[in-house]
Amino acid sequence: DQQVKQNSPSLSVQEGRISILNCDYTNSMFDYFLWYKKYPAEGPTFLISISSIKDKNEDGRFTVFLNKSAKHLSLHIVPSQPGDSAVYFCAASAEGGTSYGKLTFGQGTILTVHP
Amino acid sequence: DTGVSQDPRHKITKRGQNVTFRCDPISEHNRLYWYRQTLGQGPEFLTYFQNEAQLEKSRLLSDRFSAERPKGSFSTLEIQRTEQGDSAMYLCASSLVGGHGYTFGSGTRLTVV
Repeated sequence: DQQVKQNSPSLSVQEGRISILNCDYTNSMFDYFLWYKKYPAEGPTFLISISSIKDKNEDGRFTVFLNKSAKHLSLHIVPSQPGDSAVYFCAASAEGGTSYGKLTFGQGTILTVHP
Repeated sequence: DTGVSQDPRHKITKRGQNVTFRCDPISEHNRLYWYRQTLGQGPEFLTYFQNEAQLEKSRLLSDRFSAERPKGSFSTLEIQRTEQGDSAMYLCASSLVGGHGYTFGSGTRLTVV
């Protein structure tokens, strides 16, 4: 039972353009969502998060949008840079607020940003 | 602070052998998590501790798996009688209760031959 799904295994974008990574979830109990970035041979690195009481959170070039009715979130990277090339994981928690325990991850999307 | 450390980075073992991995979290973090990641998949939750207490275990954690965090600092994950299906990247992470986002270690890659 895949409760968090990233349906695009890969995405290719030109440098300077917008990258949009998508994530869908099925569990209505999820109330906190996170994005992680992973380079080869390293562990995932926390990127940005959003609580279910918000519909948008922005941090520099990264913005996460949450559509609760559609059970959908997206990560926008503007402008995209070659150093953004990595695997991006969406994750969700049902524990409440920021005191999350278990995270449920999507399968990941490989982002490639071409110079 | 050197982040979350995992040892070893790589482990090759024969089927049926026991293996043990160690994780040293960020010192002030009171929560420690274990995840497993296979190729093409996201990390899958195994278990987590708050201080010494193991608060949740996944059904993925069969009887052959055991995790400990004896003094609320480092943790070990042991796999007994390894099987080829245990081959994966084992990730450890830590966080503060109320913190934003885990900090993951670089993982231990297990290959069972």
